Amino acid sequence: GNSVTQMEGPVTLSEEAFLTINCTYTATGYPSLFWYVQYPGEGLQLLLKATKADDKGSNKGFEATYRKETTSFHLEKGSVQVSDSAVYFCALSAAGTASKLTFGTGTRLQVTL
Amino acid sequence: DTGVSQNPRHKITKRGQNVTFRCDPISEHNRLYWYRQTLGQGPEFLTYFQNEAQLEKSRLLSDRFSAERPKGSFSTLEIQRTEQGDSAMYLCASSSSTGRNTIYFGEGSWLTVV
Repeated sequence: GNSVTQMEGPVTLSEEAFLTINCTYTATGYPSLFWYVQYPGEGLQLLLKATKADDKGSNKGFEATYRKETTSFHLEKGSVQVSDSAVYFCALSAAGTASKLTFGTGTRLQVTL
Repeated sequence: DTGVSQNPRHKITKRGQNVTFRCDPISEHNRLYWYRQTLGQGPEFLTYFQNEAQLEKSRLLSDRFSAERPKGSFSTLEIQRTEQGDSAMYLCASSSSTGRNTIYFGEGSWLTVV
């Protein structure tokens, strides 16, 4: 079946540090890939997406590139801020599944001054 | 711009009671999804509707759970005879079956069963 594996957290960084959160996936065919962010007590917000190999999704300084050869979609940001503290979820939507999402377990990011 | 709306946002109930959650999707979206999220885990798919038809149900959706979307607009998720293991956040999401079909989530309904 389809699955998503994320690096375990929490990840603690100082403000302005470089962020990488690893995500790998298993799926048949060519899934679409997503990063969602969840702030405390809130629902999920779409951060970025990529729908085909070598696509790069980007938003708010975050980037992720769809790497089919390594089945990965790692999230990066060059300089994190305290306001980026949240839980980040990698997810996939397999072809022909009515956009149903399969999520990873989430990675908590804590950014300190 | 109205997003996905869920209510109530929080519900505390005694074990054995029934609870119902409501979801109002983005108005032009014909697909509606329910997910469940427990602490420290990612959301897990429960069920989805296209218009008023319930097209898929997860094995996670036991007989005590029922979801409806009677007119293809809002949806309800009812849990009968609640158990402590039902304590979780129930997330509703919606999307369109055409175009970009990105899924948008509501803020969730927290259920605590005591």
